[in-house]
Amino acid sequence: SQTIHQWPATLVQPVGSPLSLECTVEGTSNPNLYWYRQAAGRGLQLLFYSVGIGQISSEVPQNLSASRPQDRQFILSSKKLLLSDSGFYLCAWSVPGTVSYNSPLHFGNGTRLTVT
Amino acid sequence: TQLLEQSPQFLSIQEGENLTVYCNSSSVFSSLQWYRQEPGEGPVLLVTVVTGGEVKKLKRLTFQFGDARKDSSLHITAAQPGDTGLYLCAGGEGGSYIPTFGRGTSLIVHP
Repeated sequence: SQTIHQWPATLVQPVGSPLSLECTVEGTSNPNLYWYRQAAGRGLQLLFYSVGIGQISSEVPQNLSASRPQDRQFILSSKKLLLSDSGFYLCAWSVPGTVSYNSPLHFGNGTRLTVT
Repeated sequence: TQLLEQSPQFLSIQEGENLTVYCNSSSVFSSLQWYRQEPGEGPVLLVTVVTGGEVKKLKRLTFQFGDARKDSSLHITAAQPGDTGLYLCAGGEGGSYIPTFGRGTSLIVHP
């Protein structure tokens, strides 16, 4: 069966510090991978998605970046965090190919980031 | 850009009550998923509907996809405190890697 691991679960970082959040998927090959950010108790904002190694699409311009160094590894980074980067970050995967029919997203348990 | 509107945004009810939440769009989707998210966790898939008019049941939860595949509803019978959470709908389009999410309905069921 497939599993997704996301860490750390919580993180408190000062403004201006770097960020690295990691997500790995097991049990599937060449998954579509996604990074979302969620405001408190509300909907999901897509930040980045990837359909293959080294292929990253950005949905929202900001000081965050994403990389996919390996097939099942997705990393969210920042060189200098802003207060506005605080939030709940979710990694997700879906089966290779298009998002349609029975291809839902499978989410990790998220990282609660607080920038102080 | 396709949009999914969810209503109501917030719902606070007593244990044993019935409720319905809605997910509406002016666009057609090839599939629609419902997720439930508990505080501090990621959303978990409840169901996927793909056929217009389709009805699926998951214990006390009944999901319906509109005939025109533009809307969906989730009905919960005899709600329990364990049903508390954020309910999200998401629509999929053939040929797209990105589902469209609604903003969610936050449900609290009081014992």
